[in-house]
Amino acid sequence: NAGVMQNPRHLVRRRGQEARLRCSPMKGHSHVYWYRQLPEEGLKFMVYLQKENIIDESGMPKERFSAEFPKEGPSILRIQQVVRGDSAAYFCASSPLDRRVNYGYTFGSGTRLTVV
Amino acid sequence: DQQVKQNSPSLSVQEGRISILNCDYTNSMFDYFLWYKKYPAEGPTFLISISSIKDKNEDGRFTVFLNKSAKHLSLHIVPSQPGDSAVYFCAASGSNAGKSTFGDGTTLTVKP
Repeated sequence: NAGVMQNPRHLVRRRGQEARLRCSPMKGHSHVYWYRQLPEEGLKFMVYLQKENIIDESGMPKERFSAEFPKEGPSILRIQQVVRGDSAAYFCASSPLDRRVNYGYTFGSGTRLTVV
Repeated sequence: DQQVKQNSPSLSVQEGRISILNCDYTNSMFDYFLWYKKYPAEGPTFLISISSIKDKNEDGRFTVFLNKSAKHLSLHIVPSQPGDSAVYFCAASGSNAGKSTFGDGTTLTVKP
């Protein structure tokens, strides 16, 4: 039973390019969360999605960042016109519909984005 | 405004001794508190949690204590093992599910 799958594991982009990060949740999980970890910092919440719905995007930068979780396929975090400050590890986590808040998320291994 | 704080960036203990990791929070609306463990180049792994209606939860070598009046929780690992060396994150959630708020982490090193 595969866990949360994120790809690519490493992504290098030049300034101004677009970055697309993919996340396939665990089988049976319908909630997806994206977190970002900047160097020497903790995990910062970005967005919480269910299938075809954005539930909470309070942590998303207002510009250049977008996320989706379509009916079919993985969740996508998209960063347009990347800048050096976007370099970070991006983690996706998933949970089932009936998750109790005290069970914790299942995290993927992350995508390490480097902007050069 | 950082709602979940881990004031010790690092902790070093001897194998077999107790490790105590601390976490403070400011938001009284948090109802659940969780600890995650993270190895380099991997995602965090859920360890243990506690509800705000309890003051202690134990799972094997791991015990979490909650002092709600002080808005403080701690994770005790006893006995500590070298394989416990990792970054430990404290996190907090409201009762309506959704996002968790994480601290900046404490790097634990257990020396053989």
